[in-house]
Amino acid sequence: GAGVSQSPRYKVAKRGQDVALRCDPISGHVSLFWYQQALGQGPEFLTYFQNEAQLDKSGLPSDRFFAERPEGSVSTLKIQRTQQEDSAVYLCASSPWGLPAYEQYFGPGTRLTVT
Amino acid sequence: GQQLNQSPQSMFIQEGEDVSMNCTSSSIFNTWLWYKQEPGEGPVLLIALYKAGELTSNGRLTAQFGITRKDSFLNISASIPSDVGIYFCAGRPPPNGGSQGNLIFGKGTKLSVKP
Repeated sequence: GAGVSQSPRYKVAKRGQDVALRCDPISGHVSLFWYQQALGQGPEFLTYFQNEAQLDKSGLPSDRFFAERPEGSVSTLKIQRTQQEDSAVYLCASSPWGLPAYEQYFGPGTRLTVT
Repeated sequence: GQQLNQSPQSMFIQEGEDVSMNCTSSSIFNTWLWYKQEPGEGPVLLIALYKAGELTSNGRLTAQFGITRKDSFLNISASIPSDVGIYFCAGRPPPNGGSQGNLIFGKGTKLSVKP
């Protein structure tokens, strides 16, 4: 079946612009995670949804970052007033289980470059 | 916050050789996962470990969940060129306040295989 998909795959934004990154999880998956991966690093947790409820947003680096999953399926990560330090790959992962969501399946990521 | 120390940072090996990499932490984890990431793609789950002392194989890959719950290793036997990529360990810590299900990743081991 189809895996996790993300769009766009690449995004270039000028500093100060707002961006929206989309994640389509595997159909029926309860849990959805967003991670940020800087160059040469492992992914770092941003936020977690169980269905439409955002249960953990402890990893969001600032209030410029906002995520939603209004119908418990597709999710959008929005970054307002982008800064150069926001440049990274943003990964989405989904899991068929609620917490502890043992196994997470990742999408290909969106590479964001802020100039 | 919690960190995973993954080593080695990179490996250059000859096709057919065995590979070993490991992850250590100063704090305990409830779950250990090993992922492989290729350029332009998201991490792909290789092996999941759920209990201290557990030893699990997936083809030529073998991983173990350390008895202290603070470490894990991954072995690859008889490496082949398609094993090239970055291997990440990831651990799920015990629930702690607002942080409930997210994974903490190591910085990765970059594997290069010479035919």
